[in-house]
Amino acid sequence: AQSVSQHNHHVILSEAASLELGCNYSYGGTVNLFWYVQYPGQHLQLLLKYFSGDPLVKGIKGFEAEFIKSKFSFNLRKPSVQWSDTAEYFCAVNAVGSARQLTFGSGTQLTVLP
Amino acid sequence: NAGVMQNPRHLVRRRGQEARLRCSPMKGHSHVYWYRQLPEEGLKFMVYLQKENIIDESGMPKERFSAEFPKEGPSILRIQQVVRGDSAAYFCASSPGDGSYEQYFGPGTRLTVT
Repeated sequence: AQSVSQHNHHVILSEAASLELGCNYSYGGTVNLFWYVQYPGQHLQLLLKYFSGDPLVKGIKGFEAEFIKSKFSFNLRKPSVQWSDTAEYFCAVNAVGSARQLTFGSGTQLTVLP
Repeated sequence: NAGVMQNPRHLVRRRGQEARLRCSPMKGHSHVYWYRQLPEEGLKFMVYLQKENIIDESGMPKERFSAEFPKEGPSILRIQQVVRGDSAAYFCASSPGDGSYEQYFGPGTRLTVT
């Protein structure tokens, strides 16, 4: 079974700082990878996804993530955060060809100070 | 284009009562997933359903929990004889069922057991 680790539980940044949130997964086969964001009081929204191809994927709101297969990682980045990026961020994975359910990390709470 | 709908958004039950949570998938989506989020944890998969079929219930507790997705109407997650440990946010997601692995989430139902 696959598992996902998000090592940063809470990140606090000032506006305009650069962001990198770590995500590592464990699974020996092919995976699809996702980052979801949950703004306060709202539902989970898909930020970006990786299925295949270019390992650097761009999502909404200026976010991007890089899939490094050798490191089993899919870190989320943004060059300059805004106060409105304050939210909880979840990394998720599912295994291609098997069960469709997503396995989530425990989430990273990002607080951006104005 | 309405997203995934869940109701109620908040549900309070006394220990021993039944809780029924409803999920209407996005229009055109035939696959439904239920996840549970306990405090300070990520989302955990519970069950995956297609119309009139349970495809994977490997994440469902063996007792008191059941789910259905009838031919007509919403998907229902039912918890019988609730206990305090059932207090959590329950999220529903849907996907098109055309081979797509993307899941779109509803706003969740916060269940509080008193």
